[in-house]
Amino acid sequence: SQQGEEDPQALSIQEGENATMNCSYKTSINNLQWYRQNSGRGLVHLILIRSNEREKHSGRLRVTLDTSKKSSSLLITASRAADTASYFCATEPLSSGSARQLTFGSGTQLTVLP
Amino acid sequence: DAGVTQSPTHLIKTRGQQVTLRCSPKSGHDTVSWYQQALGQGPQFIFQYYEEEERQRGNFPDRFSGHQFPNYSSELNVNALLLGDSALYLCASSLRAGRVEQYFGPGTRLTVT
Repeated sequence: SQQGEEDPQALSIQEGENATMNCSYKTSINNLQWYRQNSGRGLVHLILIRSNEREKHSGRLRVTLDTSKKSSSLLITASRAADTASYFCATEPLSSGSARQLTFGSGTQLTVLP
Repeated sequence: DAGVTQSPTHLIKTRGQQVTLRCSPKSGHDTVSWYQQALGQGPQFIFQYYEEEERQRGNFPDRFSGHQFPNYSSELNVNALLLGDSALYLCASSLRAGRVEQYFGPGTRLTVT
């Protein structure tokens, strides 16, 4: 079963606009990670935020984490056509210990129109 | 520096058959995790191997089994295939004592007819 849900399921924007995706999860976590997947291929790690962090930046990416609401958001600024992909949040539950098992959400399909 | 590799890329099997998928982790990584991703869904954790032993398992039946070799590469075996086993199977490698980030391979697309 999925740990969390992304919202929206699909998002279509124009190049240059910002894209915001949200993720909700159910259990206490060590960290939350965002991944990108192009056309049903392998996942690419984008950014990780630990449970004691509230905001993190990496290039055009900004991630926030609210552990009290069990939610996170991913903001992609100044989007490009190459950002078109599926985006997944993944949580590492506290119970996973050193195994680092990831639990993924159902993903947001982002389409950036040129 | 080679990343995570998986073979084969695509596979078509018939219900009831058995299949073996292979994964070579990123150089220097000692831990391999397997995930199943059904169409339109996020990946689901199957199990993880470290030091040639299964360390953690997700909610998958015993038809799913695995192995890790001394060179850290891994195999995923699925017996008595069902139509519902059709999915993209992803392998991820990491360093047990290192960074949290996992590196994913390109996946094997399994179709069961």
